[in-house]
Amino acid sequence: AQSVAQPEDQVNVAEGNPLTVKCTYSVSGNPYLFWYVQYPNRGLQFLLKYITGDNLVKGSYGFEAEFNKSQTSFHLKKPSALVSDSALYFCAVRDSHDSGGYNKLIFGAGTRLAVHP
Amino acid sequence: EPEVTQTPSHQVTQMGQEVILRCVPISNHLYFYWYRQILGQKVEFLVSFYNNEISEKSEIFDDQFSVERPDGSNFTLKIRSTKLEDSAMYFCASSQRKGGETQYFGPGTRLLVL
Repeated sequence: AQSVAQPEDQVNVAEGNPLTVKCTYSVSGNPYLFWYVQYPNRGLQFLLKYITGDNLVKGSYGFEAEFNKSQTSFHLKKPSALVSDSALYFCAVRDSHDSGGYNKLIFGAGTRLAVHP
Repeated sequence: EPEVTQTPSHQVTQMGQEVILRCVPISNHLYFYWYRQILGQKVEFLVSFYNNEISEKSEIFDDQFSVERPDGSNFTLKIRSTKLEDSAMYFCASSQRKGGETQYFGPGTRLLVL
């Protein structure tokens, strides 16, 4: 069965410091991996995705994520955090072998990022 | 930039009443989805829709739920007889293709069943 784990409920980081939000996944085939961000009272905004190719993926707002097949991880990173990055971050996966489904995304529980001035 | 829109933003209803949540997907997208997020919990897949029929549904999507694309732009989720546990944020999403294609989400409708 497909699953996503975000082991940290909250990540605290000082402004200007690097940040990492962790995500691990489990699928039977090759994964399609996504990061979304949710600001208060807003919908889910797409940040970046990994489909194939380079393991380091760059996305919106200076975020990047590294796909690690051996560790089944897709951690979200940013070299220098901003207070405005404070939000709820969701990792999601789709199994490329899920031929019976049309893009069903499986989400992690979310990680709240708090960036302090 | 094209966006998925949803109406209403908030809906309060009495248990047992029918509600219809509306979505306008991005205009050239062909795949449509509904997800829900109960307060404090994960975002959960409900249903996907393509070519005017349901292509996949979760165990949550029982006979109380239905989806429809009544015209060329709207995509609706109907809950026939709401229950307290249907209280959640409901997100509509759309994508141009399947596979690794990005799903773009609307802002959500917060449904409260009293």
